[in-house]
Amino acid sequence: GNSVTQMEGPVTLSEEAFLTINCTYTATGYPSLFWYVQYPGEGLQLLLKATKADDKGSNKGFEATYRKETTSFHLEKGSVQVSDSAVYFCALSDTPTGGFKTIFGAGTRLFVKA
Amino acid sequence: DVKVTQSSRYLVKRTGEKVFLECVQDMDHENMFWYRQDPGLGLRLIYFSYDVKMKEKGDIPEGYSVSREKKERFSLILESASTNQTSMYLCASSATYRSYNEQFFGPGTRLTVL
Repeated sequence: GNSVTQMEGPVTLSEEAFLTINCTYTATGYPSLFWYVQYPGEGLQLLLKATKADDKGSNKGFEATYRKETTSFHLEKGSVQVSDSAVYFCALSDTPTGGFKTIFGAGTRLFVKA
Repeated sequence: DVKVTQSSRYLVKRTGEKVFLECVQDMDHENMFWYRQDPGLGLRLIYFSYDVKMKEKGDIPEGYSVSREKKERFSLILESASTNQTSMYLCASSATYRSYNEQFFGPGTRLTVL
């Protein structure tokens, strides 16, 4: 079945440091891939997405590239800010095989220190 | 601005009580979902619905039921609350017509069962 594995947290960085959060997936079809972010006290919101191999999703300085050969979708940001402190979820959706469901990773908590 | 609202942000109930959690979306979405979020476990799908009066079990449906009488409203019911149902409950919705399944989340209800 489909699954998502992401690196365990928490990740603690200083402001302006480089961020990588690793995510790999298993899917039988050709899924769409997502990163969602959850700020404290809020629900999840979509951060970025990629719908086919080699697509790069980007938003708010974050980027992730859909790598079919390594089944990965790692999240990166060149210079994090304190306001980026949140929980990040990697996710996949594969409508032909999974219907309308989305499979989420366990989440990675990021702390950014001033 | 698109919106998913949940009836309560915080709820405290006693063991054995019947608990209703309500979710309303204003985006005319066909699909609605209930998840629970627990530390280290990420999001786990309880039930989902892809049409009025339709429901499908997710990964952890035991102890829960749902109701979808109107397109915009999806209710989660705990027939007899137990302490192991203390958790954060998240509602989400998505549209069928999109080629990818972005989900829109409510702010969550933190339920404590004493």
